[in-house]
Amino acid sequence: AQTVTQSQPEMSVQEAETVTLSCTYDTSESDYYLFWYKQPPSRQMILVIRQEAYKQQNATENRFSVNFQKAAKSFSLKISDSQLGDAAMYFCAYRSENTGNQFYFGTGTSLTVIP
Amino acid sequence: NAGVTQTPKFQVLKTGQSMTLQCAQDMNHNSMYWYRQDPGMGLRLIYYSASEGTTDKGEVPNGYNVSRLNKREFSLRLESAAPSQTSVYFCASRLGGFDSYEQYFGPGTRLTVT
Repeated sequence: AQTVTQSQPEMSVQEAETVTLSCTYDTSESDYYLFWYKQPPSRQMILVIRQEAYKQQNATENRFSVNFQKAAKSFSLKISDSQLGDAAMYFCAYRSENTGNQFYFGTGTSLTVIP
Repeated sequence: NAGVTQTPKFQVLKTGQSMTLQCAQDMNHNSMYWYRQDPGMGLRLIYYSASEGTTDKGEVPNGYNVSRLNKREFSLRLESAAPSQTSVYFCASRLGGFDSYEQYFGPGTRLTVT
């Protein structure tokens, strides 16, 4: 099974500042998808951003962007201009193109936004 | 369009009791999933159903059974609950297919086994 590692259990950021959350993964596959999910206190899981491994260009969604380093098996999330509503647990996830029905999640990073 | 719904939202069981968690989606998705979420462990896949009529084990299937009742519904059964099954359970669905990326999650069920 693939493993996804988030080495930062907790992070904090000042409002309006930038923060980067780390994620690494272990795989022998060449085709896969990577995701960042946000889980606010409501428990609802919300997709933030996704990256297809075959795409070299890093994905961007408004204030959220990723730094995808395929050779290093690294997939970090950058949140710019942090807002109070960004406070949540963030999970990195992996899905294989070959066995596409299984998703593997990291253990999460709890992000606090300081006013 | 309710998305993915789960019932109940909260449940307390005694050790040895059984119960079924219900999940339904109205998005005509083919694939459905059951996860459990424990502190410090992230989400772990219990079972999934790639399409109506099929089910497969995930990472942590022991102590659980599932039924894909039809395309809309995917239930998770605990036959004899144990304290180790205290967790938050999430159901998710996905359209399925090559270019279907996103999983849509239900609101979760918080289960406590005493």
